[in-house]
Amino acid sequence: DGGITQSPKYLFRKEGQNVTLSCEQNLNHDAMYWYRQDPGQGLRLIYYSQIVNDFQKGDIAEGYSVSREKKESFPLTVTSAQKNPTAFYLCASSLRDRGYTGELFFGEGSRLTVL
Amino acid sequence: GNSVTQMEGPVTLSEEAFLTINCTYTATGYPSLFWYVQYPGEGLQLLLKATKADDKGSNKGFEATYRKETTSFHLEKGSVQVSDSAVYFCALLIIQGAQKLVFGQGTRLTINP
Repeated sequence: DGGITQSPKYLFRKEGQNVTLSCEQNLNHDAMYWYRQDPGQGLRLIYYSQIVNDFQKGDIAEGYSVSREKKESFPLTVTSAQKNPTAFYLCASSLRDRGYTGELFFGEGSRLTVL
Repeated sequence: GNSVTQMEGPVTLSEEAFLTINCTYTATGYPSLFWYVQYPGEGLQLLLKATKADDKGSNKGFEATYRKETTSFHLEKGSVQVSDSAVYFCALLIIQGAQKLVFGQGTRLTINP
C-alpha cells in the first residue's frame, strides 16, 4: 500500500541531545513537509522541500534541520538548540505536477518527549 | 498576514445531533479553503475543500460553504455519529513558490452514544 511512514512513533530524549525523526513515502510525491502540532495551537510548518536536494524554512525552523537526499525520504533532526521540543511531529507529502491542490497526505506522526 | 481561527473546543454532542464548527480566516486575496480531520492515533486526512467563493465542499455527510463576505468556512453535519469523534482542522492554502497550508488550532469533537 502507498503511504507515508514515520518512525519512531514515540521517542524520549534527554535535554541536550539531538534526535532524528524518519519520514519515508512511496507515493512518488515530489514535495514533502514537516509540521509540529501542539495542543491548542494547530499545526505549524517547520520545513518543506519541493525537490531532491532542495528545502526551505517554514514558520518555526529554528532548532531544526532537514535533508532531502532521496525523493522518498525527508528526515527531521531536532537539535539541542530547539528550546521546547516536546511535541507531536507530522510529516506530509504532495504532488507538484498536478498544481497547487492543497491536498497533503500525512503520516501518523511521531511524539517526542524531552525528559 | 494569513491566519485561520476556529471555534474553541472541545465540543461534545450526542449521536444524531446537528454539528457546526466555526472557521474564519484572514488572507490576501481568495485562497482555497479546507477541512482536515484527525482520527485518534492517526495523521490528518483531507475531509473537504472549496476553491472559490460560494463553492460548497462536501464529503461523508459533512458540508462547508466558502463565504467571501464573512470570510468563513463553517463545517456542518446534520446528524453526527460516534465514529465522527476526531479533531477537525480548518486550513487555507497560500502559494509562495510552493503550496503551504495554514491551519487553525483544531477543534476536538466527541460524540456520545
